Amino acid sequence: EIVLTQSPGTLSLSPGERATLSCRASQSVGNNHLAWYQQKPGQAPRLLIHSASRRATGIADRFSGSGSGTDFTLTINRLEPEDFALYYCQQYGSSFPTFGPGTKVDIK
Amino acid sequence: EVQLVESGGGLVQPGGSLRLSCAASGFTFSDYEMNWVRQTPGKGLEWLSYISHSEITIYADSVKGRFTISRDNAKYSLSLQMNSVRVEDTAVYYCARGGRDGNNNDAFDIWGQGTMVTVSS
Repeated sequence: EIVLTQSPGTLSLSPGERATLSCRASQSVGNNHLAWYQQKPGQAPRLLIHSASRRATGIADRFSGSGSGTDFTLTINRLEPEDFALYYCQQYGSSFPTFGPGTKVDIK
Repeated sequence: EVQLVESGGGLVQPGGSLRLSCAASGFTFSDYEMNWVRQTPGKGLEWLSYISHSEITIYADSVKGRFTISRDNAKYSLSLQMNSVRVEDTAVYYCARGGRDGNNNDAFDIWGQGTMVTVSS
């Protein structure tokens, strides 16, 4: 099983700032099959990024993903009020997808 | 509108059974692989099971032998039969859409709203 570690656990920022979230895998993620999801209270996760760097349909271009192998990053430029939420990474490069524990982006 | 709607959650005693359903609409259900994922405050998001178009199934070790995933393409429906449930199966259960290539290597682009399962005596 590929274990994903996310850091930091919580990121306190102000609207307009840039958020940088990290996801590290215990082994290389096959084909860089790494996704990022956003989740707000009482809602299901929403796909933001797949294949490490490809934005999902309808996702604003202030969200970007990068990285390969075992180290991946989600960057949110110019935080909007609606961006304060939980963010999870997921690897789906193996037959057993796994999720990271999440990073909470909250308002400073 | 592309949509997934889960149902069937509720309170069940340890050792009991429960069947979750997921109704799909707005897309050609038979074209897509489907998954079940659960979420608990303690363990976060946990993938449970996958089913391909041709009904090839994969299970996480935590539910293998106890849970069964199935699909009815004609009814645009996905199911999860949960047997021998345990207290630690208490969670919100989501169905989630995968890809179309039959290789279980796609992100989950559509999720239902979730259904709560509580296992308690």
